[in-house]
Amino acid sequence: QLQLQESGPGLVKASETLSLICTVSGGSISSSSYYWGWIRQPPGKGLEWIGSIYYSGSTYYNPSLKSRVTISVDTSKNQFSLKLSSVTAADTAVYYCARHQIPDSGSNHFFDYWGQGTLVTVSS
Amino acid sequence: SYELTQPPSVSVSPGQTASITCSGDKLGDKYAFWYQQKPGQSPVLVIYQDRKRPSGIPERFSGSNSGNTATLTISGTQSMDEADYYCQAWDSSNVVFGGGTKLTVL
Repeated sequence: QLQLQESGPGLVKASETLSLICTVSGGSISSSSYYWGWIRQPPGKGLEWIGSIYYSGSTYYNPSLKSRVTISVDTSKNQFSLKLSSVTAADTAVYYCARHQIPDSGSNHFFDYWGQGTLVTVSS
Repeated sequence: SYELTQPPSVSVSPGQTASITCSGDKLGDKYAFWYQQKPGQSPVLVIYQDRKRPSGIPERFSGSNSGNTATLTISGTQSMDEADYYCQAWDSSNVVFGGGTKLTVL
């Protein structure tokens, strides 16, 4: 059974960089059928996609966050990571990593396995 | 940028049918996906490719997508179905989520 686990600091100071790692177990991050994504959810609010990465390093980013986001992959560790720079209180959220299903063509992109999420609070 | 619009809340009586809509420009030309999220838990995929159910999702969950609206239908709603529901689509190389609908089973 595929499992994803987020890890990283739960508290980040404003203006600094948020860094999280997602460790994938029960499957290979190098599979050709999937991207691997980050999604966040501010307390009491909805889901916001941050971006997704392929094992080769190819990425998709949310345009609204693109200038501050870097997603990278380490296939040797079966991990991918998120860096979000210049954080503010608005970046306080539960951050989820998830497996991003990709089609051969078309709009069949979705998330079928999710991590448990990790709360990151930005302090002033 | 592409937007998906959901009603903030829907209420249903136990045993009745709940319908949650998701609206977006020409959404019917894309695939729609639905996630269920219970308090304190991660989202769970309940419908993919408009109408398909992942393994383990009860048959009472169904979906449709046409024109500008996708609909998640829960037949014979149970108290355990009380949750937030999010629709999702893919547009111009971006994942887009709807704002979410809180389903209350009264």
